[in-house]
Amino acid sequence: GAVVSQHPSWVICKSGTSVKIECRSLDFQATTMFWYRQFPKQSLMLMATSNEGSKATYEQGVEKDKFLINHASLTLSTLTVTSAHPEDSSFYICSAPDRVYEQYFGPGTRLTVT
Amino acid sequence: GQNIDQPTEMTATEGAIVQINCTYQTSGFNGLFWYQQHAGEAPTFLSYNVLDGLEEKGRFSSFLSRSKGYSYLLLKELQMKDSASYLCAAMDSNYQLIWGAGTKLIIKP
Repeated sequence: GAVVSQHPSWVICKSGTSVKIECRSLDFQATTMFWYRQFPKQSLMLMATSNEGSKATYEQGVEKDKFLINHASLTLSTLTVTSAHPEDSSFYICSAPDRVYEQYFGPGTRLTVT
Repeated sequence: GQNIDQPTEMTATEGAIVQINCTYQTSGFNGLFWYQQHAGEAPTFLSYNVLDGLEEKGRFSSFLSRSKGYSYLLLKELQMKDSASYLCAAMDSNYQLIWGAGTKLIIKP
């Protein structure tokens, strides 16, 4: 099956700093990628839809100036958490559809803001 | 509004059978997905149903009734490694996935 990678797997940063998370589709092209956030014992929450060559579409309540998304190529999307705060600590997961009916998830990035 | 309901937690015995139910309400419908998620890991795809009926895939089967807005995931011959959260997700008319909160399945020996 298709493979999606994420980097880094985990990151610890200080409050006020920015963190960039990369999502790559390794063996297929993805014009669309999705970014999710998951808090402990909760389900996935879609943050935004990343579109190659155009602006990302953010879900209601997600600050686009805080969570910067760049879909620079057909295989790479990045999520930058700017001026991170402890409440941004979460598990961030990206996914990309290979076909309409199947999404492949990256392994996730665990962000801890101290 | 759009909504997915599934039980929060279920417990079953190793070797037994368990059925995890999911009901959904979406704007349009383009299929129902089941994913497995182990703690600290990303979800992995289990099944996709878009037509009514039962889809069998090894020890796992998934059923869909579009008229009832209902699906279930059936796990047979349970193994300890099946302990995980099982996420139900429905795809709406915009091809966006609407996620349930997940069902935590606990397998006891």
